[in-house]
Amino acid sequence: AQTVTQSQPEMSVQEAETVTLSCTYDTSESDYYLFWYKQPPSRQMILVIRQEAYKQQNATENRFSVNFQKAAKSFSLKISDSQLGDAAMYFCAYPNDYKLSFGAGTTVTVRA
Amino acid sequence: NAGVTQTPKFQVLKTGQSMTLQCAQDMNHEYMSWYRQDPGMGLRLIHYSVGAGITDQGEVPNGYNVSRSTTEDFPLRLLSAAPSQTSVYFCASSLPRDRGRGETQYFGPGTRLLVL
Repeated sequence: AQTVTQSQPEMSVQEAETVTLSCTYDTSESDYYLFWYKQPPSRQMILVIRQEAYKQQNATENRFSVNFQKAAKSFSLKISDSQLGDAAMYFCAYPNDYKLSFGAGTTVTVRA
Repeated sequence: NAGVTQTPKFQVLKTGQSMTLQCAQDMNHEYMSWYRQDPGMGLRLIHYSVGAGITDQGEVPNGYNVSRSTTEDFPLRLLSAAPSQTSVYFCASSLPRDRGRGETQYFGPGTRLLVL
């Protein structure tokens, strides 16, 4: 069964603008973590941001922030002031014990 | 620290051949895992290990074997390669905090495998 769903295969954003990537997940746990990873053309997987479910405050890392809606099981990523270096595939991930489940990914294109 | 290293970077195999993908980490991480990445499917867990001598299956284990004799190394073996195993393979490691849920996983650079 699919645990993590990313419904947007591709997104395009103008440089300096904002783009939001959606992610929904399924879990019966009340305390858990959620991650967003970035994969640039180099293929290296890089952690973007992490959210702990018991924390009410949405996580923020510089230009990256999340909108975590626990009841709706939604975990979207917002990229503000988009830069050319943000062009990559982004994966939402949910760790279930030692098993990390990934969404299918969203490819972000940044237009100059 | 070199982090997580993988060799080779790229490999071409013929159907039926065997090979081992190497993975090593120098961060003293107890948890290590192997994923494969296919277009439109994200990364899927093949096998994982929570420490030396302990391994378990992930989502797509068929056709792959693993062993963990040391904390540092976690090789992935393809006993008889099939075209369906053409993929990009990633090794990852982390500390096992909270049953692996809370820690960031550190990924290697990947191995691209083509099976003809």
